[in-house]
Amino acid sequence: EAQVTQNPRYLITVTGKKLTVTCSQNMNHEYMSWYRQDPGLGLRQIYYSMNVEVTDKGDVPEGYKVSRKEKRNFPLILESPSPNQTSLYFCASSWGVLPYYEQYFGPGTRLTVT
Amino acid sequence: KNEVEQSPQNLTAQEGEFITINCSYSVGISALHWLQQHPGGGIVSLFMLSSGKKKHGRLIATINIQEKHSSLHITASHPRDSAVYICAVSPNTGNQFYFGTGTSLTVIP
Repeated sequence: EAQVTQNPRYLITVTGKKLTVTCSQNMNHEYMSWYRQDPGLGLRQIYYSMNVEVTDKGDVPEGYKVSRKEKRNFPLILESPSPNQTSLYFCASSWGVLPYYEQYFGPGTRLTVT
Repeated sequence: KNEVEQSPQNLTAQEGEFITINCSYSVGISALHWLQQHPGGGIVSLFMLSSGKKKHGRLIATINIQEKHSSLHITASHPRDSAVYICAVSPNTGNQFYFGTGTSLTVIP
């Protein structure tokens, strides 16, 4: 089944404790992206990648890191999480290197930083 | 700054009604996307438009590039259409996405 998977789905952590949210897709998609969703602000793009070893900042990259060492995986790293990073996070992928194609979203990761 | 504005924010309709959700944007775009977010949180892509009109079942999406405006129409609405509908644009100056804050639709039987 074609899908985007994220792990974990729920995470409660404390300020400053490094964490990684994994994202994997099995559709051989070129474009992958991370978003956060907050009430009243909607979805905002954190980072995106157009291909292996090619990543770029989105609208709200501060406090986050990403890497794209393999085509299928695009982990999101919070080196020192803070409470303002409490949010619902979505990973997505699409065919092609440009954002002109249908995006497939993962199920979301709800992160709480205390 | 908000590159994408949606209206209305909230919408309640009776089953069977014709529904329109609007999206206006301020930047030049390569493409516009309509997304649906289910009450459980999952997001699916409905349409990608760069011009004209697309139809899928009871859903119709239109875009007017000159006026920087798109509409999503739902004909013969049904309670299962209850969801948040989100407009997103890909600006023609980069490879990012900008999103509207969504329209929450409730269809009452």
